[in-house]
Amino acid sequence: AQSVTQLDSQVPVFEEAPVELRCNYSSSVSVYLFWYVQYPNQGLQLLLKYLSGSTLVESINGFEAEFNKSQTSFHLRKPSVHISDTAEYFCAVTLSYTGGFKTIFGAGTRLFVKA
Amino acid sequence: DAGVTQSPTHLIKTRGQQVTLRCSPKSGHDTVSWYQQALGQGPQFIFQYYEEEERQRGNFPDRFSGHQFPNYSSELNVNALLLGDSALYLCASSLASGPLHFGNGTRLTVT
Repeated sequence: AQSVTQLDSQVPVFEEAPVELRCNYSSSVSVYLFWYVQYPNQGLQLLLKYLSGSTLVESINGFEAEFNKSQTSFHLRKPSVHISDTAEYFCAVTLSYTGGFKTIFGAGTRLFVKA
Repeated sequence: DAGVTQSPTHLIKTRGQQVTLRCSPKSGHDTVSWYQQALGQGPQFIFQYYEEEERQRGNFPDRFSGHQFPNYSSELNVNALLLGDSALYLCASSLASGPLHFGNGTRLTVT
């Protein structure tokens, strides 16, 4: 069965410290990988995506994620976090089937950045 | 350029009733997916519509049904509401298998 596992439900971290949010998936079909972010009182929005090519992808606000096919992981990292990065982060996998596709999400990791 | 819009924003229903939620996709998008998000959990995939047909379905009972119209807008219908159906219902649109663009959701409360 296809699934997405986010290994940490909450990650507290001090401002300017590095952070890693972990994501593992299982799938028997080809996948595209995404991280979505939900800031307080806002809707879900795309943070970054891996479709093909370079396994390291970056967002405009300093996050990066690396696709590791052998370990079926897509961990999200940032070398120095800001207070404004406080949000819930969701790892997602798009599974392609004949005639359609579906995107499934992990349970989310709440990142709390402390001053 | 309007993004994904959902209506209504909030809804209160009684057990056993039926509800219809509506979604207009982002301009240029042809695919609509519906999700249920319970408090403190990730979005759970309900189903996806493309070319007015249900293409993929998650593990939801037949009480959950939908429709897509020729203008790509979509409806989610839930019959015989249960208390456990209380959640945030999210609509997301995309162009084929591209990234999802989400609406702000409809908060459904079943009493």
